Amino acid sequence: QQQVKQSPQSLIVQKGGISIINCAYENTAFDYFPWYQQFPGKGPALLIAIRPDVSEKKEGRFTISFNKSAKQFSLHIMDSQPGDSATYFCAASEGAVFGNEKLTFGTGTRLTIIP
Amino acid sequence: DSGVTQTPKHLITATGQRVTLRCSPRSGDLSVYWYQQSLDQGLQFLIQYYNGEERAKGNILERFSAQQFPDLHSELNLSSLELGDSALYFCASSASGSYNSPLHFGNGTRLTVT
Repeated sequence: QQQVKQSPQSLIVQKGGISIINCAYENTAFDYFPWYQQFPGKGPALLIAIRPDVSEKKEGRFTISFNKSAKQFSLHIMDSQPGDSATYFCAASEGAVFGNEKLTFGTGTRLTIIP
Repeated sequence: DSGVTQTPKHLITATGQRVTLRCSPRSGDLSVYWYQQSLDQGLQFLIQYYNGEERAKGNILERFSAQQFPDLHSELNLSSLELGDSALYFCASSASGSYNSPLHFGNGTRLTVT
């Protein structure tokens, strides 16, 4: 059962543009929403995370927007750079209860930034 | 470098065989997680150990088993292998199991079953 739906599957953005990746979840008990970045040949690495007590979190060029009522959250990459080309995974868990246990991942978005 | 070491990097074996994947967590991390990554399924949580004890179980097949040893390294055993078991297997570790303690992933073991 796919509890976190991620879109698009792949995304091509011009350098300097805004990359937007969306995720939707079903389990209303989810309260921890991290994003992971994965480069070829490497394991995923935590990029940024949000909890539902805030609607937005920004770290440098990366922003998570969270809409609790719609059960959706998204990653925005501002001023996208070729070095941002990677696969991005959203994830969710019942963090307060399970912490990092049973993190449910989306299926990933392959982002390519072109010059 | 995440500090999580997985061996081997690649493994090719035949159907019906058994393999063992090994993971050394980051120094000081007590929790170890195993994930399976396939093209169509994304990252699937298999199992978590905390300080030697099983803590949480995901969609892990009965043919698969894992353990965490006193020195905190972990092994994932896959038996009676099928073609569909071909995937990337990731190990991750964290200091605790809390969401405040982020997961650090190794670079994975690519398993090919022929």
